Amino acid sequence: QQQVRQSPQSLTVWEGETAILNCSYEDSTFDYFPWYHQFPGESPALLIAIRPVSNKKEDGRFTIFFNKREKKFSLHIADSQPGDSATYFCAARNYNVLYFGSGTKLTVEP
Amino acid sequence: AQTIHQWPVAEIKAVGSPLSLGCTIKGKSSPNLYWYWQATGGTLQQLFYSITVGQVESVVQLNLSASRPKDDQFILSTEKLLLSHSGFYLCAWIDNSQNTLYFGAGTRLSVL
Repeated sequence: QQQVRQSPQSLTVWEGETAILNCSYEDSTFDYFPWYHQFPGESPALLIAIRPVSNKKEDGRFTIFFNKREKKFSLHIADSQPGDSATYFCAARNYNVLYFGSGTKLTVEP
Repeated sequence: AQTIHQWPVAEIKAVGSPLSLGCTIKGKSSPNLYWYWQATGGTLQQLFYSITVGQVESVVQLNLSASRPKDDQFILSTEKLLLSHSGFYLCAWIDNSQNTLYFGAGTRLSVL
């Protein structure tokens, strides 16, 4: 059973647009929700994260929106740049286990 | 500053052969350490975690084992590789003050 569901599998946006990546979960004991990005051939790196006490977290062009009632969270990338092209993974943590979504391959066209 | 080093960088191994991958973290006392596996083009799956020397918890069963022989060292191994073991193996540690998981550079494993 997949603990964290992520969509879309791939997304293409034009430079300057806002990219929206979505995730959902079932386990209400998850207490931490990070987003990672991964460039080809590299390790994942943390972008931004949120705890369920908040419904929004911003860091520059990156914003997480969190809906605890619906068990959904999303990453919005404003003013997308070609350098943002990468695979993005959402995740959810339960104690010492971090469950990752299936990933979204984002392409930003100039 | 903390650094995490994984070895080897890459391995090509035969089915049925043994494997040992290592991870060392410097600059952090008693870190929580983790092993993740990523199939080519796939997501990350947590394999093991360890919060102290000598203690390792398994998250998924993939015919792999892990050990924590020293405070700063985490080892992933198996006596008999399968084709399905191919992929990208990542060691990670968590900075509890920031709640952030940091990954090492990884080991690429090809099982032929």
